[in-house]
Amino acid sequence: GDSVTQMEGPVTLSEEAFLTINCTYTATGYPSLFWYVQYPGEGLQLLLKATKADDKGSNKGFEATYRKETTSFHLEKGSVQVSDSAVYFCALSDSDGTSYGKLTFGQGTILTVHP
Amino acid sequence: NAGVMQNPRHLVRRRGQEARLRCSPMKGHSHVYWYRQLPEEGLKFMVYLQKENIIDESGMPKERFSAEFPKEGPSILRIQQVVRGDSAAYFCASSPLRTGQTEAFFGQGTRLTVV
Repeated sequence: GDSVTQMEGPVTLSEEAFLTINCTYTATGYPSLFWYVQYPGEGLQLLLKATKADDKGSNKGFEATYRKETTSFHLEKGSVQVSDSAVYFCALSDSDGTSYGKLTFGQGTILTVHP
Repeated sequence: NAGVMQNPRHLVRRRGQEARLRCSPMKGHSHVYWYRQLPEEGLKFMVYLQKENIIDESGMPKERFSAEFPKEGPSILRIQQVVRGDSAAYFCASSPLRTGQTEAFFGQGTRLTVV
């Protein structure tokens, strides 16, 4: 079945540092890929998405490129802020593409940014 | 347009009691998904419902758990005879369509504690 493997955390950075959170996936079809962010005590918010190979999703300074050859969707940000502290989840949609609501999630990566 | 509304936000139940979790999807959304997040783990898909229909319940435990999405009113996730292992955050997501490039939107979750 489909699976998502995320870089283990927690990740601790200083403000303005460069961020990379690795994500690789296994899927039989052509899934769409997502990054979600969860702030403490809150639900998940969609951060960015990519629906086909070589697409780049971007939002709020974060970006990730759908790499089919390496089955990866790594999250990057050039300069993190304290407010970026949260848990980040990589996810893929149902491989047959019929539903973007049925998602397979990675285990999450806790990011803490210090001033 | 209000987001996905879940209630209660926090629920405490004694072992053996029943837990009822409610989810009101975003206006215009007719598809609901339930996920469970165990401590320090990612979200796991449980069930996908459309109005009055269960579309996919492949992630639901075989016993004690049930879900419905009636023609009127919120979707309900019901857990009978709760046990300590049911303690988790339960998230609901909704989407307007089954197909097409529309992502699901998540509620803030219900945190169930079984004592």
